[in-house]
Amino acid sequence: AQSVTQLDSQVPVFEEAPVELRCNYSSSVSVYLFWYVQYPNQGLQLLLKYLSGSTLVKSINGFEAEFNKSQTSFHLRKPSVHISDTAEYFCAVSETKRGSTLGRLYFGRGTQLTVWP
Amino acid sequence: EPEVTQTPSHQVTQMGQEVILRCVPISNHLYFYWYRQILGQKVEFLVSFYNNEISEKSEIFDDQFSVERPDGSNFTLKIRSTKLEDSAMYFCASSALYGYTFGSGTRLTVV
Repeated sequence: AQSVTQLDSQVPVFEEAPVELRCNYSSSVSVYLFWYVQYPNQGLQLLLKYLSGSTLVKSINGFEAEFNKSQTSFHLRKPSVHISDTAEYFCAVSETKRGSTLGRLYFGRGTQLTVWP
Repeated sequence: EPEVTQTPSHQVTQMGQEVILRCVPISNHLYFYWYRQILGQKVEFLVSFYNNEISEKSEIFDDQFSVERPDGSNFTLKIRSTKLEDSAMYFCASSALYGYTFGSGTRLTVV
C-alpha cells in the first residue's frame, strides 16, 4: 500500500514570500500524484496532478510541483504567495492502473498554509 | 464547470440512528467514491463503486456501511447504526479519465 508524508503540519509565511510544502510518498508500484487544496468550509479542489511526461507540473494560480522519482517526492512551491492562498493543502497518491480508472487516493495529513499581510 | 453535489451540508444525528448521505456525481462519470475526514486526521478512502457494484472498499467500510445508486443520478452512503466515532466530514467524488472531482462534503455529527 502507498503512504504519504507531509512533513509540515503548519507553514506560516508573509505575503509575497516564496513557499514550499513538502510531500514524500512510499510505494512499491508506479503512482499518480496530486495536490488538493481545501479552503475553510469547502471541499477538496484539485490544484495540480502528475500522471506522466514532464516532471514539472503547474497550476493556473502560480503553484508548481515537481515529481522526483529518486527522492519519492512531490513538493509544492509558489514563488510569491497571496493572502488568498491561505488554506489546507493535501498531497495524495494513487496507484497507476491500466485503462481509465483511478485507484483509491492515499492522502497525507495536510499542511495548513497561513499567509500573513 | 460540472460539480459533484452533496446533501445535506451538515447533519446531526443521535448515536444508533441510521443516516443517509446523498451525492449527485457528475453526469458522465462512471466511477464513484466516498472518503471521510475525521477532524484533525487524514482524508481516508471508504469505498469505490463502478457498474452498480463496489469495486474496492477499505477496512473502515464494515457492515454498518452501504452504498447505493438508486436512480442513475444519486449515489448514497448509508450508515446503519451510527457511532460517536463516525463523526466526520464525508466527501463524495466521481471520476472520468485520470481526475477526481470532489463534492463539498457533509459534516456528520453523532451525539
